[in-house]
Amino acid sequence: AQSVTQPDIHITVSEGASLELRCNYSYGATPYLFWYVQSPGQGLQLLLKYFSGDTLVQGIKGFEAEFKRSQSSFNLRKPSVHWSDAAEYFCAEVGSYIPTFGRGTSLIVHP
Amino acid sequence: GAGVSQSPRYKVAKRGQDVALRCDPISGHVSLFWYQQALGQGPEFLTYFQNEAQLDKSGLPSDRFFAERPEGSVSTLKIQRTQQEDSAVYLCASIPIGGLPTGELFFGEGSRLTVL
Repeated sequence: AQSVTQPDIHITVSEGASLELRCNYSYGATPYLFWYVQSPGQGLQLLLKYFSGDTLVQGIKGFEAEFKRSQSSFNLRKPSVHWSDAAEYFCAEVGSYIPTFGRGTSLIVHP
Repeated sequence: GAGVSQSPRYKVAKRGQDVALRCDPISGHVSLFWYQQALGQGPEFLTYFQNEAQLDKSGLPSDRFFAERPEGSVSTLKIQRTQQEDSAVYLCASIPIGGLPTGELFFGEGSRLTVL
């Protein structure tokens, strides 16, 4: 069965600092990978996705992610975090047709 | 509407009551998913529709959970004889035809169910 692992439950960063959120996927074949963000009381919004091509993908709000097959990872990065980035971040993969989500990482931003 | 609409946003039920949660997907979106999100957890798959056909219900946790989409648009998730462990946010997401597996899921804001 597919599984997505997000090892960090909470991440705290200072505003302006860089950010990396970790994600490991399990699907053996070419995975379809996504990062979503969820603000309090809101639905999930797509940040970026990867399914082929360049392994470094750019998304909205200045986020990027790098697909590394050798490490089964798809980590999310941002060079300079803004206070408005505080939210819950979910990594997801689609092996066949059902998107499977990780448990999420809560990002806390200190001023 | 412009986005996925879910109602009610908040529902408090006494244990043993039946509840119905509604999802109105983006017009024209063929595929519809229901997820359950417990506190501090990620969304867990419940069931998947393509038009009116329920193609996968393997994630429904018990036979108290039932979902339908009779006309291929609005969907209803029904929970019978609610239990405290059913307390969660229920998310609905839709995607246009041909969207899977590479496309974006469009989520509603969810229905938060609290069972007392």
